[in-house]
Amino acid sequence: DTAVSQTPKYLVTQMGNDKSIKCEQNLGHDTMYWYKQDSKKFLKIMFSYNNKELIINETVPNRFSPKSPDKAHLNLHINSLELGDSAVYFCASSQSRSGLRLTQYFGPGTRLLVL
Amino acid sequence: AQTVTQSQPEMSVQEAETVTLSCTYDTSESDYYLFWYKQPPSRQMILVIRQEAYKQQNATENRFSVNFQKAAKSFSLKISDSQLGDAAMYFCAYTYNNDMRFGAGTRLTVKP
Repeated sequence: DTAVSQTPKYLVTQMGNDKSIKCEQNLGHDTMYWYKQDSKKFLKIMFSYNNKELIINETVPNRFSPKSPDKAHLNLHINSLELGDSAVYFCASSQSRSGLRLTQYFGPGTRLLVL
Repeated sequence: AQTVTQSQPEMSVQEAETVTLSCTYDTSESDYYLFWYKQPPSRQMILVIRQEAYKQQNATENRFSVNFQKAAKSFSLKISDSQLGDAAMYFCAYTYNNDMRFGAGTRLTVKP
């Protein structure tokens, strides 16, 4: 029944490792997003996909690579993890209409800790 | 670039009282959406209320209402009859087209 789900919810890993976070939405939305929330709670958009096409790509290190196999899934792969990557990562989805993206629904977040 | 400013990092309210959280934003667009999201300690981002910029009427959801001043680019959230469960971080957000921008958040404490 979960509208937007993310796995895993917690991820603890060593510097230099590669990890992935998965996101799935069952709302039938056509747009999905990744956000990063830092330790000061500041939320910043990273990527947005509409119907599997990348439409927003903020200034994010190219170690971060989103992948959208279909419009219900948007995964985030991170290479060569660094200490500064420690944060909570939120996936979200929304339905577009007339070019305007409507309410975004968020997943529960994935807390990533890089040691 | 669109920016969203929440000038109150922390607010406190007595249970059953009313509190208003401030938000201002900067945009050159005329048709956009504004939101308030709540983030309790569980980390879940929960939509509280939404306002379409083309609507003059202020949105209301039960105890939550907004004061939307388009010309002033102000979008404050009023919480009436505050409850302990209202304690959380509150984020103001602006969206236009594919992009959503969040304010830095206001931490609301509710005192019993």
